[in-house]
Amino acid sequence: EDKVVQSPLSLVVHEGDTVTLNCSYEVTNFRSLLWYKQEKKAPTFLFMLTSSGIEKKSGRLSSILDKKELFSILNITATQTGDSAVYLCAVTQGGSEKLVFGKGTKLTVNP
Amino acid sequence: GAVVSQHPSRVICKSGTSVKIECRSLDFQATTMFWYRQFPKQSLMLMATSNEGSKATYEQGVEKDKFLINHASLTLSTLTVTSAHPEDSSFYICSAREAMTGYAEAFFGQGTRLTVV
Repeated sequence: EDKVVQSPLSLVVHEGDTVTLNCSYEVTNFRSLLWYKQEKKAPTFLFMLTSSGIEKKSGRLSSILDKKELFSILNITATQTGDSAVYLCAVTQGGSEKLVFGKGTKLTVNP
Repeated sequence: GAVVSQHPSRVICKSGTSVKIECRSLDFQATTMFWYRQFPKQSLMLMATSNEGSKATYEQGVEKDKFLINHASLTLSTLTVTSAHPEDSSFYICSAREAMTGYAEAFFGQGTRLTVV
């Protein structure tokens, strides 16, 4: 059975801390891995990763994929309270347009 | 990025009635859209894949007669919750991808909070 596992399920940090969120996957015919941030409503897109070892970066957020070990990490440096959200990892497979989601990591950044 | 508009954002209905939720891709054509359901503190669960001009593909355990999906055009898909019951109360989200190669991110609608009383 295809699955996407995120860890930790929840995390509480203080402003300024650096966090690393993990996403491992076991899917057939892997094609891409996506990270989303979900606050109160629908998820917003962060990154899409298709190749191993190439870091994608956007401001304080960065992500990298390891297709050999079947995982990805999402790093957030110098966290701010506005980073508080659920971060979702999703995987796509060849031959399908579906996104298979993990359960998410709930990040709480306290002032 | 591409814009997906979902309407309404919130609806309250009586038990036994039907509710229609619309999902529109505003600046691109989406031959395929996806409908998700999300319970509190849980992840997105795919309900069905909506294909323009053909029948939707439902995930295992999703009642196709209860959750009617119509994808009448390249920019509009609708989800109708028929004979709604309180257990259908949930957050429903649609998404669409701009390109069909698979190498494109999915954009989500704003979601619809359905409460059945």
